[in-house]
Amino acid sequence: EDKVVQSPLSLVVHEGDTVTLNCSYEVTNFRSLLWYKQEKKAPTFLFMLTSSGIEKKSGRLSSILDKKELFSILNITATQTGDSAVYLCAVDRGSTLGRLYFGRGTQLTVWP
Amino acid sequence: GAVVSQHPSWVICKSGTSVKIECRSLDFQATTMFWYRQFPKQSLMLMATSNEGSKATYEQGVEKDKFLINHASLTLSTLTVTSAHPEDSSFYICSARPTLSSYNSPLHFGNGTRLTVT
Repeated sequence: EDKVVQSPLSLVVHEGDTVTLNCSYEVTNFRSLLWYKQEKKAPTFLFMLTSSGIEKKSGRLSSILDKKELFSILNITATQTGDSAVYLCAVDRGSTLGRLYFGRGTQLTVWP
Repeated sequence: GAVVSQHPSWVICKSGTSVKIECRSLDFQATTMFWYRQFPKQSLMLMATSNEGSKATYEQGVEKDKFLINHASLTLSTLTVTSAHPEDSSFYICSARPTLSSYNSPLHFGNGTRLTVT
């Protein structure tokens, strides 16, 4: 059975802290791993990772994939209150592109 | 950028009635769209893959007669929750990927539909 496990499930930090969110997976026919940020409604795309060891960065966010150990991390540096959200990790697997299997998410709360 | 529009944003219906949710790709064509369901404090669970011009593919445990999917054009997929019951109350969200896009293109999600069945 396919699994995507995120940890921690929730995290509370203060502004300026750095956080690391974890995602481990066991799926058949792995294609890519994606990170999304979900606030109230639709998840917004952050990163898509297909190759091991190549860090992707966007401002204060960065992510990397380890296909040997089957995990990914999402780092957020100098957190701001606007970073408060649920961060979802998903794996694209199987023969149909876009058929995502999501983890339960990490609820991040950043206090001022 | 690619936009996916979902309608309605929220709907309240009585038990036993049917509800139709629309998912439109506004500025691109999507041969394939996906329907997810999200219960409070849970993750998104894939319900089905909607294929333009053919039958939808349902995930294990999802009743295809209850959740009817129609993908009649390259920009529109609909999900109809038939004979809705309170346990069907959930957040339903669709996603789409442009047909003419590279492998590395991510999915785009609609804003979701909050269904409450009373």
